[in-house]
Amino acid sequence: GQNIDQPTEMTATEGAIVQINCTYQTSGFNGLFWYQQHAGEAPTFLSYNVLDGLEEKGRFSSFLSRSKGYSYLLLKELQMKDSASYLCAVAPYGGATNKLIFGTGTLLAVQP
Amino acid sequence: DTEVTQTPKHLVMGMTNKKSLKCEQHMGHRAMYWYKQKAKKPPELMFVYSYEKLSINESVPSRFSPECPNSSLLNLHLHALQPEDSALYLCASRPRSSTDTQYFGPGTRLTVL
Repeated sequence: GQNIDQPTEMTATEGAIVQINCTYQTSGFNGLFWYQQHAGEAPTFLSYNVLDGLEEKGRFSSFLSRSKGYSYLLLKELQMKDSASYLCAVAPYGGATNKLIFGTGTLLAVQP
Repeated sequence: DTEVTQTPKHLVMGMTNKKSLKCEQHMGHRAMYWYKQKAKKPPELMFVYSYEKLSINESVPSRFSPECPNSSLLNLHLHALQPEDSALYLCASRPRSSTDTQYFGPGTRLTVL
């Protein structure tokens, strides 16, 4: 089966650092994605990991450990506009059968 | 042009109506997707088109009928929907690359009365 787990909600303070964890058990693995979604809007692509290690993109970084079925998204220097839902998604397959399996999302509230 | 567009933004329809949702991209992406998203839930995959052919149907009821007239356009035809079909319908496309990243359109907010 396919299972992706994330915390449901998190709260953090403006200017701080927050880490959002994601664990997965899927029938295959062709990459892990993080998306940001503001309420009522479409998901926006943040990062992609297919090899173990850390990918850094400005204030956002994403880490993957394939052996542990684990990833995290790290957000630094938090801003109020970072309040959103963060979706972890796994692509179990590639090619024409590619699809994304989404976790339930983590709703992040950034407080002043 | 680096975006996926969807029309209409909002749609209200009765249970006996027939309507269509439209999705367009001009990035040369050859895979296109329809997702349904209920409030506070993640997107749920409905259909995948690859090179204009339906490659995945996630057991979606026949009142939803997808169509891919060409490589840039994806439609979702709606007929005899139920109130529980009210949701945000998202279209996404994927470039032909190894990353498999999907790019989402802004969605159509559908309300079925």
